[in-house]
Amino acid sequence: AQSVTQLDSQVPVFEEAPVELRCNYSSSVSVYLFWYVQYPNQGLQLLLKYLSGSTLVESINGFEAEFNKSQTSFHLRKPSVHISDTAEYFCAVLNTGTASKLTFGTGTRLQVTL
Amino acid sequence: DTAVSQTPKYLVTQMGNDKSIKCEQNLGHDTMYWYKQDSKKFLKIMFSYNNKELIINETVPNRFSPKSPDKAHLNLHINSLELGDSAVYFCASSYGAPHGYTFGSGTRLTVV
Repeated sequence: AQSVTQLDSQVPVFEEAPVELRCNYSSSVSVYLFWYVQYPNQGLQLLLKYLSGSTLVESINGFEAEFNKSQTSFHLRKPSVHISDTAEYFCAVLNTGTASKLTFGTGTRLQVTL
Repeated sequence: DTAVSQTPKYLVTQMGNDKSIKCEQNLGHDTMYWYKQDSKKFLKIMFSYNNKELIINETVPNRFSPKSPDKAHLNLHINSLELGDSAVYFCASSYGAPHGYTFGSGTRLTVV
């Protein structure tokens, strides 16, 4: 079984400041890692993913995440946030195997203010 | 051209009623899922179907019954609705691991 821990339920930050949203996971098998974003009253959108290869992955809107196997972490970062980044961010792990399923963390609410 | 569409978007109903939520995907994915998001935003998988076959059935009350008439559709029927069933239900689809899931926009169910 796998699990995901997002230690920060809320992260308030000023616009143009850097931000890091933390994610740690545990699993007895190999996993793939994802970050999803949920804007108010909307569904979940895939932000970025780590499948293999380079441990640093980037999204089209300036977010990046680094897979750290030794620390079992997949933290999400952005050097300069915008008001429009205000949303709920979910880290998720997908286990390998025939009955694979995406397991989510409890989410981190990123609140960007002026 | 919506990839994963759910209907209805909102559903308000009384306790004890039976209701259904429909989901359709036009992505050609083999696997479809139902997730429940509670009031604290926690997302938990309920069911997964692969080519119309049930492959994941988490500890969900048997009042919830998924049905997949074909691999592009996965419906969720709920009998004898209870107050605790109030939540947002998300449908999703995927080609399977290692691919991520594509989610629908959700159905907000309110039981009164």
